Amino acid sequence: DIQMTQFPVSLSASVGARVTITCRASRDVRNSLAWYQQTPGKAPKLLLFATSTLGSGVPSRFSGSGSGTDYSLTVSSLQPEDSATYYCQQYYITPYTFGQGTKLEIK
Amino acid sequence: QVQLVESGGGLVKPGGSLRLSCAVSGFSISDYRMSWIRQAPGKGLEWLSDIRIPDTYTNYADSVKGRFTISRDNAKNLLYLQMDSLRAEDTAVYYCARDRQNFGDYEYWGQGTLVTVSS
Repeated sequence: DIQMTQFPVSLSASVGARVTITCRASRDVRNSLAWYQQTPGKAPKLLLFATSTLGSGVPSRFSGSGSGTDYSLTVSSLQPEDSATYYCQQYYITPYTFGQGTKLEIK
Repeated sequence: QVQLVESGGGLVKPGGSLRLSCAVSGFSISDYRMSWIRQAPGKGLEWLSDIRIPDTYTNYADSVKGRFTISRDNAKNLLYLQMDSLRAEDTAVYYCARDRQNFGDYEYWGQGTLVTVSS
């Protein structure tokens, strides 16, 4: 199975700050990489797919990049509503696997 | 409007069985790959299984292979997960999800149904 490692596990930043979350795969996932946002008690929401394509209705302050085994999610100007846990997911090969999550707190 | 609604969760004893359902509206499940994903309390997301089109080919995570069975009823637009030989570690919120374009990323999710395995 492909292991997905996210870091940091948690972070805290102020409104307006720029933050980056990193996801590393145990092997090349050929840009088959998605990012999800989850708030407590809710289902995950698709933010980006194919590494860098924004999901429907997702604000443009979210962006993604990467290739091979290393990928990142950047939020260019944090808003209070961005407080959530973020997960990466590889869908290159089954079993599809998720990172362990990064909890983002807004100061 | 796309909607996925899970049902069938609850409390079950170790070794018991449960069948989850996912009622879909706004699209036909015969047109999309559908999946089950779970989240143990306070933990991350775990992909469990998918059922593909058009041949209903299925995949499972090793953690549930041989115990869980995914299926669908196209006529009723329902997705199922039959769960047998349940263990305490199967305790989780179970989500059904629709693939975005049959690639493996998930655009639509249900609200989840809680399964608790405990004696």
